[in-house]
Order: sequence, then C-alpha cells, then structure tokens
Amino acid sequence: EADIYQTPRYLVIGTGKKITLECSQTMGHDKMYWYQQDPGMELHLIHYSYGVNSTEKGDLSSESTVSRIRTEHFPLTLESARPSHTSQYLCASRPSGATDTQYFGPGTRLTVL
Amino acid sequence: GQQVMQIPQYQHVQEGEDFTTYCNSSTTLSNIQWYKQRPGGHPVFLIQLVKSGEVKKQKRLTFQFGEAKKNSSLHITATQTTDVGTYFCAGPVSSASKIIFGSGTRLSIRP
Repeated sequence: EADIYQTPRYLVIGTGKKITLECSQTMGHDKMYWYQQDPGMELHLIHYSYGVNSTEKGDLSSESTVSRIRTEHFPLTLESARPSHTSQYLCASRPSGATDTQYFGPGTRLTVL
Repeated sequence: GQQVMQIPQYQHVQEGEDFTTYCNSSTTLSNIQWYKQRPGGHPVFLIQLVKSGEVKKQKRLTFQFGEAKKNSSLHITATQTTDVGTYFCAGPVSSASKIIFGSGTRLSIRP
C-alpha cells in the first residue's frame, strides 16, 4: 500500500472561501499530480510537478494553484471556492525512473455551497 | 493531441459472466497501465505492460498489449461481485512526465 495522504477527506464550504487541500507522500517520489474527478467519471489532470520548485498546469483548466516547496508536500489552493469546484480531488505520486506507475491518495471530496 | 479511448463506457453483467474492456491510443505507447477504482475509492494500480504483444495474468484477470502497442484489453473471467468498479487504462504522454487516462469502463454485476 502506498504512503500518500490527503486531508481533509471531506470538506463542505461556502462560496468565496479560500481552501487548501493537503497532499503528502513519504516515498520520496519526485513527481506528483492533482486530478479532478466527478463521481464515476474520468480523471482530469489539473496540475503536476517534476520536483521541488517545479509545477505545471495540466490538461484541464483550473482556477486552483499549487506549490512544491518540499518533495513530500504538494498542496492545492482554491483562492475563492465556487459551486462549480464541487468534485473529488485526487493526489498521486510516482518515482523517477522506468516505471510510470502512479500511487493515488484517498482523495478529498469537496462540496461548495 | 494524444488521446486514449476506452470502450465500453458501462458494462452490466450477471455474476459469473465474463467481462472485457478495450483501450485504444492515438499514438504508440511505451507502456500501458491498468487501474481499478472501487465505488467511492481511489484508483489502484493493477499492472503495467511494456512489450509488444505481451499477455499477463492475475488470477481471473488477463491483460493484453497489442502488437502495435496502441491498444490493450482487460478480460475478467467469471466475474464476482468484488470485481465491481471502474477500470482505467493509462499511457505515458510522450516527452512529458505525465500519463493520460482513458475514460474508464464502469463494471456493475447482478448477483
């Protein structure tokens, strides 16, 4: 089982609030990812990071931002939450090297009222 | 851009029946991976295929990678209720440290 953690697991918040979703991994993986997924639907990559101080936007336009100050930590921030942000947010990581296998955290289910 | 397509989108089978999901990439892949996501859960890595024409088995699950390395399939023999979930294939995006996921096939089972 992979050592990748996300908090909170569930969050209900009002429109306009600033929120930060936490993601941490203890495997020393260089590469980390954030996906947005509606229930039962496909995964949309919104941000990824090659390593410390390296972040890139993903395929799905997102109003969120990320930072990567430490290898093990990859938080995602929404400056002003809106109902359209209601979704599940999944964090993943993978080691550098030959394998492309991604290890996913348990996810954060966000509801914006 | 590079695309990975998966069919069918949904499959509802009687317990004990077989199930197959197909994955097709618009470009040649260096490898392909399969993930399973249980309802309410997160994707969990199942397997990675690397070689052209490769076939791998995990108990009742059989994974194939096409000769041209552009398509793949997952076949489950004699489904059980524990097989319920969404199965995703995924392949690396060339010249980038990210992978692209298929749209997934959601499997439901009648007991």
